Amino acid sequence: ELKVEQNPLFLSMQEGKNYTIYCNYSTTSDRLYWYRQDPGKSLESLFVLLSNGAVKQEGRLMASLDTKARLSTLHITAAVHDLSATYFCASTGTASKLTFGTGTRLQVTL
Amino acid sequence: GAVVSQHPSWVICKSGTSVKIECRSLDFQATTMFWYRQFPKKSLMLMATSNEGSKATYEQGVEKDKFLINHASLTLSTLTVTSAHPEDSSFYICSARDATGTSGPPSYEQYFGPGTRLTVT
Repeated sequence: ELKVEQNPLFLSMQEGKNYTIYCNYSTTSDRLYWYRQDPGKSLESLFVLLSNGAVKQEGRLMASLDTKARLSTLHITAAVHDLSATYFCASTGTASKLTFGTGTRLQVTL
Repeated sequence: GAVVSQHPSWVICKSGTSVKIECRSLDFQATTMFWYRQFPKKSLMLMATSNEGSKATYEQGVEKDKFLINHASLTLSTLTVTSAHPEDSSFYICSARDATGTSGPPSYEQYFGPGTRLTVT
């Protein structure tokens, strides 16, 4: 059974600082996803990573994938308050259904 | 493109009644839709996979007689919570897998609806 773990679960960081969220998954995976969720809202797709070594960047967020280590990271550069949200990674394993990580609640303070 | 809608966005119902939630893919066809449940400050848990024209596949621990799923067309899946109880109060999110593509080949990616907040009193 595929298990997806994220850490940290909660992250409070100051504006302008950098930090990384980690996502480990337990079995071989075809795809790794990152989503953002604002309070009371559904998911917003951020990135989909398809192959080992894949790196994608959008604004202050950068995601990478290491399939050998079964690890994905979401790096935040020079955080701003607007990035405050909960971030989820999710993996398909070798099936078509998504298994979500525990989520990381990010709070960016002034 | 790739828009998924849910209706209603929120609903309050009395204990013992049933409530139906609709999930529609607006600009693509979805042979497969997924239903998730999310409790406050928790992650999304897959409840079932809805396949057009066939029975849904439920995850372990999900009561199929309580959560009825119907996927009657390539753009619509419904989740009916029967005899709802307060513990069924949750945020229900559907997703639809693009099997036809909005422009160009299908992506086979899942697109998420905006969610339905159910409160059972």
